[in-house]
Amino acid sequence: QKEVEQNSGPLSVPEGAIASLNCTYSDRGSQSFFWYRQYSGKSPELIMFIYSNGDKEDGRFTAQLNKASQYVSLLIRDSQPSDSATYLCAVSRGMSGAQKLVFGQGTRLTINP
Amino acid sequence: GAGVSQSPSNKVTEKGKDVELRCDPISGHTALYWYRQRLGQGLEFLIYFQGNSAPDKSGLPSDRFSAERTGESVSTLTIQRTQQEDSAVYLCASSRYPDTQYFGPGTRLTVL
Repeated sequence: QKEVEQNSGPLSVPEGAIASLNCTYSDRGSQSFFWYRQYSGKSPELIMFIYSNGDKEDGRFTAQLNKASQYVSLLIRDSQPSDSATYLCAVSRGMSGAQKLVFGQGTRLTINP
Repeated sequence: GAGVSQSPSNKVTEKGKDVELRCDPISGHTALYWYRQRLGQGLEFLIYFQGNSAPDKSGLPSDRFSAERTGESVSTLTIQRTQQEDSAVYLCASSRYPDTQYFGPGTRLTVL
């Protein structure tokens, strides 16, 4: 079992709809959870981080964390073609990402105009 | 302000040669991380520095890989006797402890 698992996709969503990206992790000691966006040929850029159970909203993005189910998700509302990218879920044992990040394989998202 | 910078952006080398990859972190960031990303794959952790010490080097794949850091500044990742399976993008990230990690543009290494 991989430490962090994501559906590799591709996930295709029409413009304006909600894109839902999911991630599960195996290490119950994980404390910090991150979503990175990676455009083709570019380096990952941080979208959101979440430490506590529940929802965290930032603009069109909402991260959801359920530690009991070892599940973290990212919702993108009003999807735009510019959201088309690979989304990487990352998990850390340290608080605030002060230790190594363990990444999933990434989910490739395509927003169709 | 300036982000994480890495050099070279691309490196093509022959099997068996040694290579050095450089990372300049964001000024004031005490923590520095190296990751590797093979084509179509997620990121693999290699090593982490806090200041110039390396509390976690568990991801280095073999003794051909080594890294060092000068104070809270530049870091160098060295791969000796490169193999074709070393071909990947090598990414460096830095953070202001404790905080989130910000990535550089990466060095694309191709071993022929």
